[in-house]
Amino acid sequence: GQNIDQPTEMTATEGAIVQINCTYQTSGFNGLFWYQQHAGEAPTFLSYNVLDGLEEKGRFSSFLSRSKGYSYLLLKELQMKDSASYLCAAPYSGAGSYQLTFGKGTKLSVIP
Amino acid sequence: EPEVTQTPSHQVTQMGQEVILRCVPISNHLYFYWYRQILGQKVEFLVSFYNNEISEKSEIFDDQFSVERPDGSNFTLKIRSTKLEDSAMYFCASSEGTAVSYEQYFGPGTRLTVT
Repeated sequence: GQNIDQPTEMTATEGAIVQINCTYQTSGFNGLFWYQQHAGEAPTFLSYNVLDGLEEKGRFSSFLSRSKGYSYLLLKELQMKDSASYLCAAPYSGAGSYQLTFGKGTKLSVIP
Repeated sequence: EPEVTQTPSHQVTQMGQEVILRCVPISNHLYFYWYRQILGQKVEFLVSFYNNEISEKSEIFDDQFSVERPDGSNFTLKIRSTKLEDSAMYFCASSEGTAVSYEQYFGPGTRLTVT
């Protein structure tokens, strides 16, 4: 089975840095995705990690440690528009396709 | 930039009625998915579809649900006899290929309210 845990809520200040953690237990490992979801909207892709280490993409970076079953999303220079839920998701293989198991999401509130 | 579209954006129906949710995946994508998100809960996988047949389905996807690709562009989810607990946001997604690294692009969702 797949189990993904992440904190429910976080608050951070505009301009600051925030780290959102995710731990996972999966039967087989196929990498880890991070998605952003604004309230009432669809999830949008942020990053995909399959190898250990940090991948940087502009203000957003994602880290993976396969041995620890751990990932985090790092958001720098926070802006008000970054207020959203951040979803950690693990793909699992079906019959020729990969389905995503999502965590419950971390609701990030950015305050002035 | 190509995007997944869904109609309607909001559907209200009475318990026991049939609903059809429509999706137009990105045109060169081959894999299609339906997910749902009950208010305040996590996004859950329902079904994946490839080459005109179901690839995988979750335990949520029981006999009340069906999917179809009636033509070259549309991908539909039908719920035969809706229940109150089917009230949720339903997201369609598509991906270009089968490799796990292929990003799934999500549509804006259909909010289904069953009364």
